[in-house]
Amino acid sequence: QKEVEQDPGPLSVPEGAIVSLNCTYSNSAFQYFMWYRQYSRKGPELLMYTYSSGNKEDGRFTAQVDKSSKYISLFIRDSQPSDSATYLCAMDTGRRALTFGSGTRLQVQP
Amino acid sequence: IAGITQAPTSQILAAGRRMTLRCTQDMRHNAMYWYRQDLGLGLRLIHYSNTAGTTGKGEVPDGYSVSRANTDDFPLTLASAVPSQTSVYFCASSENGGPLQYFGPGTRLTVL
Repeated sequence: QKEVEQDPGPLSVPEGAIVSLNCTYSNSAFQYFMWYRQYSRKGPELLMYTYSSGNKEDGRFTAQVDKSSKYISLFIRDSQPSDSATYLCAMDTGRRALTFGSGTRLQVQP
Repeated sequence: IAGITQAPTSQILAAGRRMTLRCTQDMRHNAMYWYRQDLGLGLRLIHYSNTAGTTGKGEVPDGYSVSRANTDDFPLTLASAVPSQTSVYFCASSENGGPLQYFGPGTRLTVL
């Protein structure tokens, strides 16, 4: 079993929809939780990060961490075609080594 | 500010050949990393360096070597390329080894 599980998708939604992207993990030592966005043939771009449990909001994006369930989510409100990308979750115990999910491909249809 | 640059953008290489992928950052980050990204497997750490002059092995180090002569540069060398090293390679850096890593644009390598 992988330490971090992420549904590969693709997830296809109409423009304006609320998108929910999720990861589950097994290592209870993870403390830092990141979301990266990766456009086709580009490098991953850091989108949001959260330390420990709780929510964090940045514009149309909300990151949520539930450590009791070992479950993290990224919500995108009012999704746009420009949000079409692969979204990678990543986690860190604080020991300088990220563990990545395999990514969820999102397609926002205009 | 360029951030992280990688070269070449893509390369086709014959098996058995030696290849060095270049990575340069201008953010003065102490820590640098090399990952490979394969379909269905996500990003896997090859080697890392917490500071100039030091390096360490990641999850998949076999067949790769790195050096860190200064803060800005972190080249990755394949001594004798094999087809299983066909992948997209990303260099990343972080400030003082913190969890927020910033990635370069990648090198797409095909080994035939």
